[in-house]
Amino acid sequence: DSGVTQTPKHLITATGQRVTLRCSPRSGDLSVYWYQQSLDQGLQFLIQYYNGEERAKGNILERFSAQQFPDLHSELNLSSLELGDSALYFCASSVGGGRSNEQYFGPGTRLTVT
Amino acid sequence: AQSVAQPEDQVNVAEGNPLTVKCTYSVSGNPYLFWYVQYPNRGLQFLLKYITGDNLVKGSYGFEAEFNKSQTSFHLKKPSALVSDSALYFCAVRDTGGFKTIFGAGTRLFVKA
Repeated sequence: DSGVTQTPKHLITATGQRVTLRCSPRSGDLSVYWYQQSLDQGLQFLIQYYNGEERAKGNILERFSAQQFPDLHSELNLSSLELGDSALYFCASSVGGGRSNEQYFGPGTRLTVT
Repeated sequence: AQSVAQPEDQVNVAEGNPLTVKCTYSVSGNPYLFWYVQYPNRGLQFLLKYITGDNLVKGSYGFEAEFNKSQTSFHLKKPSALVSDSALYFCAVRDTGGFKTIFGAGTRLFVKA
C-alpha cells in the first residue's frame, strides 16, 4: 500500500458526461501527479501540482481539468467524455515537486465510457 | 524532444537466472532516471532512481540499475530472478526543461519456474 488513495475504483458513464476523480496523497507529500494509462497510448503524464499550484502540464486535453485543494487532495475533472477516454487514471504523489523526487502511485480509477 | 525507449516488449527468463530489462533515453542536460514496476491491477511502485553519483544504483527487491552516459542507457538488472518478479516494468525520465515525467512503453517480464 503506497498511502495514496483514489476514489472511485471503477466508474462507468456515457459519452458526453462529466466525471470527477479524487486523489488523496501520502501524508506529508506536497506534490500530486495525474496519469492516463491505456493500451494504445501507454502511460501518459497529464498534469502535476505542487502545494496547490500547477507545476507541469503534459498531454492533458482541454476537456480535462484538475486542481489541488488546500488540504492537498486533488481532483481530476473529465468532461464531454468520449469513448477514447476509457482508461485507467492514476494519481501519484511525492514529497517535493522537484525532478529528483520519486513518485508513489495510487491504485487507479478505471473509467469506462459507453 | 526528450524520450525514453524500452526496446523489448517482453523479456523471458528462467527462475534463478540473471535478468536485464533495457532502457535508453534521450535528454538534454543531466538525466533524472527512474524504474517502476506494475503488478496486475495495481499502481506503479518505485524501484530505484539515478540522480547523480555512482553509476550503479541499488533499489528495492534486489534490483539494481547501471547508468551509462556514453550509451545513454539505464538498464535494470537482478542477479537471480524470482517467479514473483513477473510484472510490467517502466523506465522513466524527468524532463530537464520542465517537470514532465516521460515513461517508456513498458517491458513485460516473465519469469518461468
